[in-house]
Amino acid sequence: IAGITQAPTSQILAAGRRMTLRCTQDMRHNAMYWYRQDLGLGLRLIHYSNTAGTTGKGEVPDGYSVSRANTDDFPLTLASAVPSQTSVYFCASSDSPSGGYNEQFFGPGTRLTVL
Amino acid sequence: GQNIDQPTEMTATEGAIVQINCTYQTSGFNGLFWYQQHAGEAPTFLSYNVLDGLEEKGRFSSFLSRSKGYSYLLLKELQMKDSASYLCAPMDSNYQLIWGAGTKLIIKP
Repeated sequence: IAGITQAPTSQILAAGRRMTLRCTQDMRHNAMYWYRQDLGLGLRLIHYSNTAGTTGKGEVPDGYSVSRANTDDFPLTLASAVPSQTSVYFCASSDSPSGGYNEQFFGPGTRLTVL
Repeated sequence: GQNIDQPTEMTATEGAIVQINCTYQTSGFNGLFWYQQHAGEAPTFLSYNVLDGLEEKGRFSSFLSRSKGYSYLLLKELQMKDSASYLCAPMDSNYQLIWGAGTKLIIKP
């Protein structure tokens, strides 16, 4: 694989169910991010990780959790899905969490519908 | 608070030039990014400005004025494939990107 992969591509989920969105990168980037994108709104940061073993809360963390057990993987879990979590979810990574020219690379996204 | 303002939609003609403006207010500033996002796809990096002035990269140029909290993306020799949304994203003092809602650019033949 090259870059960032996300799984699944899309999912329809019943409200109240637990769901984990997977994200894997092979660029050995230190920082990883989860965003949601809703129509008419900018990308909103859910959680981030500056390096393996650490995580932080973004702008909209409620209802979501993450873990960063190693450099490559950064799964996002919805413990009990609600319809307001219907969105497109993007995982991204960057070489460094700080400092200057620090482009974020994005995965292809997961389209999640909660009914 | 932090705020990004850019036009919702713009229309331009193939072969022409278009300028997409972005004004921002952030807590601290560590540069500004522009990304392109085609419908149904992920954002991809276009440009980064940290100092005032113009950065040119082929048909695309980006300008920054830190004192005015203002940036623009200039696209020349427009092609149909440039139809996409363009996202302005300044980086705040915590090195987090603050994303605008994006400008949808429609290119007409």
